[in-house]
Amino acid sequence: TQLLEQSPQFLSIQEGENLTVYCNSSSVFSSLQWYRQEPGEGPVLLVTVVTGGEVKKLKRLTFQFGDARKDSSLHITAAQPGDTGLYLCAGGGAGNMLTFGGGTRLMVKP
Amino acid sequence: EAGVAQSPRYKIIEKRQSVAFWCNPISGHATLYWYQQILGQGPKLLIQFQNNGVVDDSQLPKDRFSAERLKGVDSTLKIQPAKLEDSAVYLCASSLTPSSNQPQHFGDGTRLSIL
Repeated sequence: TQLLEQSPQFLSIQEGENLTVYCNSSSVFSSLQWYRQEPGEGPVLLVTVVTGGEVKKLKRLTFQFGDARKDSSLHITAAQPGDTGLYLCAGGGAGNMLTFGGGTRLMVKP
Repeated sequence: EAGVAQSPRYKIIEKRQSVAFWCNPISGHATLYWYQQILGQGPKLLIQFQNNGVVDDSQLPKDRFSAERLKGVDSTLKIQPAKLEDSAVYLCASSLTPSSNQPQHFGDGTRLSIL
């Protein structure tokens, strides 16, 4: 069974601070996807990384896929209250099946 | 483009009762997924359909859960009889194809509470 561990589980920071969320596994994935989920809504895809060592930037968010394709990180620069939410990483496997991590709940205080 | 539609949004039942959820995927999406998301956890895949066929249902508790997608479009997920541990949000997602790395689009889910 493939497992994805996310850390930290909870993060509460002040507006303007930087943060990094980690997603680790002992398994190799064909891709790593990051989602953001708001209360009462379904997850929304932020990015997909597929190549070991790949780095993608989405405005203030930087996503990295580990060289061995077993881990990933999400870095947010100068966090804003609008970044508040649940961040989920998901490892992609055969047939587009996803294995989700447990999530990181982020709160950014103004 | 219309998103993935799910109903009902909320459902409260007593244990041992039965319940059904409905999902209408994005038009043209051949692949449909049902996930269970327990409070404080990430979603767990229950079943994946490709058109009207089951691709994977290895994590579906088949003694009480069933799902169908008879015409290859909308789908229903049923629980009978429900247990307390089934309290969760049930999410439906769809993708254009089952190819790896295809984006999955999620509905807003059905929140199930078992009393």
